[in-house]
Amino acid sequence: KAGVTQTPRYLIKTRGQQVTLSCSPISGHRSVSWYQQTPGQGLQFLFEYFSETQRNKGNFPGRFSGRQFSNSRSEMNVSTLELGDSALYLCASEPALALNTGELFFGEGSRLTVL
Amino acid sequence: LAKTTQPISMDSYEGQEVNITCSHNNIATNDYITWYQQFPSQGPRFIIQGYKTKVTNEVASLFIPADRKSSTLSLPRVSLSDTAVYYCLVGDPGTGGFKTIFGAGTRLFVKA
Repeated sequence: KAGVTQTPRYLIKTRGQQVTLSCSPISGHRSVSWYQQTPGQGLQFLFEYFSETQRNKGNFPGRFSGRQFSNSRSEMNVSTLELGDSALYLCASEPALALNTGELFFGEGSRLTVL
Repeated sequence: LAKTTQPISMDSYEGQEVNITCSHNNIATNDYITWYQQFPSQGPRFIIQGYKTKVTNEVASLFIPADRKSSTLSLPRVSLSDTAVYYCLVGDPGTGGFKTIFGAGTRLFVKA
C-alpha cells in the first residue's frame, strides 16, 4: 500500500508570491491534516479536512488555506508569502473516524524556502 | 485538550535504556497517550499508544501509572539510529482534536 505522498518535495519562492502544496493520503484514508514545522520547532497544526470539510483549524492567519477533493487528496495554499513561512510542511492521513486508532501516517513533507 | 510537558532534550549512550517522561495532569477519561518519533527532514512515525498500565511492542514500552497523569516511554538498548525527536500526544482518537497539539517534543541524542 502506497504511503502518504506530498508534492513538491522542495520549492523556493520569493516574498509576496503564493504557493500550493499537494497531499495524497493513503488509499481509503479520509482525513488529512496539515502541519508547519520551522527549524528546531515542533509541529504546528494548520488544519484538518475530512470528507471535503474542514474539521479543525489551528491558529494561523487567513493567508493559509486548504481544501480537500472528493478523492481525499488535499491541497494547502499560502498567499502573500513571508520569510517566516519558510518551513517543512507535513501532511498526515488517517482512516475514517470510526476506524480511528490515533495513528497518523505522515508524508515526507514539502520544504518551502521563501527568499 | 490535555496539555503535555516533556523534557526538551536528553542524552544517552549506545546500549543504554532511555526513559522519557511526559506529564499530562488534565488527561480526560477517553484520552489515550500516543508517542511519535521524528528523524530530521522526515514526517513523524507512530511508535506506541496506551490507555493504562503497560504496553509493549517491538520498538518500545509505555508505562502509565494508575492516575494516568504522566507516562513514560522506554527505549531499550538504544543505538545511534534512535537519535530523534520524540513527541507525546494525549487525546481521544475518536475525535479530531488529539492531533492538534504536538508540542516541541524531546530531542534524544544517542552517543557512541
